[in-house]
Amino acid sequence: QKEVEQNSGPLSVPEGAIASLNCTYSDRGSQSFFWYRQYSGKSPELIMFIYSNGDKEDGRFTAQLNKASQYVSLLIRDSQPSDSATYLCAVRSGSQGNLIFGKGTKLSVKP
Amino acid sequence: SAVISQKPSRDICQRGTSLTIQCQVDSQVTMMFWYRQQPGQSLTLIATANQGSEATYESGFVIDKFPISRPNLTFSTLTVSNMSPEDSSIYLCSVQGYYGYTFGSGTRLTVV
Repeated sequence: QKEVEQNSGPLSVPEGAIASLNCTYSDRGSQSFFWYRQYSGKSPELIMFIYSNGDKEDGRFTAQLNKASQYVSLLIRDSQPSDSATYLCAVRSGSQGNLIFGKGTKLSVKP
Repeated sequence: SAVISQKPSRDICQRGTSLTIQCQVDSQVTMMFWYRQQPGQSLTLIATANQGSEATYESGFVIDKFPISRPNLTFSTLTVSNMSPEDSSIYLCSVQGYYGYTFGSGTRLTVV
């Protein structure tokens, strides 16, 4: 059973701080990793994807991947109240090409 | 990335009835994925729909309960059959694009 684990939170950070979201996965053969943001009542929207070990930066967001530790993280710099949402970590499954999702981490950014 | 039009956006249905959810994609895609998101939970894959072949269902989901149609490379439907209150969820379709996976806006189903 392929699994993706996330701390469900809630994670609360003050405005302007760095929010750190973590995810581990069980399938060592996984190659593609995604972070989605989901506002309440909305569908998930893609923030970033990462395929290679190391860091990938896009604006205020940085994804970090460590395949040896089977660990992927998302850093949000200068957090804003509008970043308050549930963040879903997803891993691409080799069998059908679908995504396997973690349960999500609820982030709250306090003004 | 692909744009998906999903409908209906929400519905309230009587138990024992069926609801068909439609997803239209603005480009041709090989596979479409159908997910369920139960209240307060993450997304669970129901099935993968490949044009021209039977859908592939995940453990715990069966064709009689969730029949899927995939008549062409831009369209798919998911039917939730013989509904019970336990089927109350958000149902989402998804496709893979160059920059990742895109989701439809979701169908919020309430069964009473």
